[in-house]
Amino acid sequence: GENVEQHPSTLSVQEGDSAVIKCTYSDSASNYFPWYKQELGKGPQLIIDIRSNVGEKKDQRIAVTLNKTAKHFSLHITETQPEDSAVYFCAASKGSGGYQKVTFGTGTKLQVIP
Amino acid sequence: KAGVTQTPRYLIKTRGQQVTLSCSPISGHRSVSWYQQTPGQGLQFLFEYFSETQRNKGNFPGRFSGRQFSNSRSEMNVSTLELGDSALYLCASSWEGGTGELFFGEGSRLTVL
Repeated sequence: GENVEQHPSTLSVQEGDSAVIKCTYSDSASNYFPWYKQELGKGPQLIIDIRSNVGEKKDQRIAVTLNKTAKHFSLHITETQPEDSAVYFCAASKGSGGYQKVTFGTGTKLQVIP
Repeated sequence: KAGVTQTPRYLIKTRGQQVTLSCSPISGHRSVSWYQQTPGQGLQFLFEYFSETQRNKGNFPGRFSGRQFSNSRSEMNVSTLELGDSALYLCASSWEGGTGELFFGEGSRLTVL
């Protein structure tokens, strides 16, 4: 089955700096790569996603890049703010429409130091 | 639109007991997935239900089971609890016509003593 590795497991950055989280996946059939943010005491929430036919996607301060050949994708957060502190999960999935078999990475705890 | 609702939010059980957790998906969502979250292990997939049928199952022992009702509400059951079952159990719903985004509840935190 699919295996998703995520690094680093913890990341501390100064407010205003950038943060990068990297993931690799094993199944070349995976075609959808979402990123979820989990704040303390809450369930994960989708923050950005990318499909296999796109190499990069940006939404304000966050961006995701995908390298299908190398089977890795990354989350980039620029100008980090204290409210970015949370656990971030990458995921890889395959399927079509609303049915996706999703495999999550082990998470990255991001701490933004004011 | 109400989000995914999980009950109970917190519970404490002892080894050998069983537990039932409930999940009400977002209205109109017919797919419900369950995940176990433990420190360092991330989100481990338990199973996924669609229209009352288990469509997918993760690598968990048979002590973990689930079901889905005609109104898409889902329950999961863990029998003969072990200390290692202590975790946050998350439920997520999704819409068949959607992009694949999972909408998570806040979870049920189970502590086994």
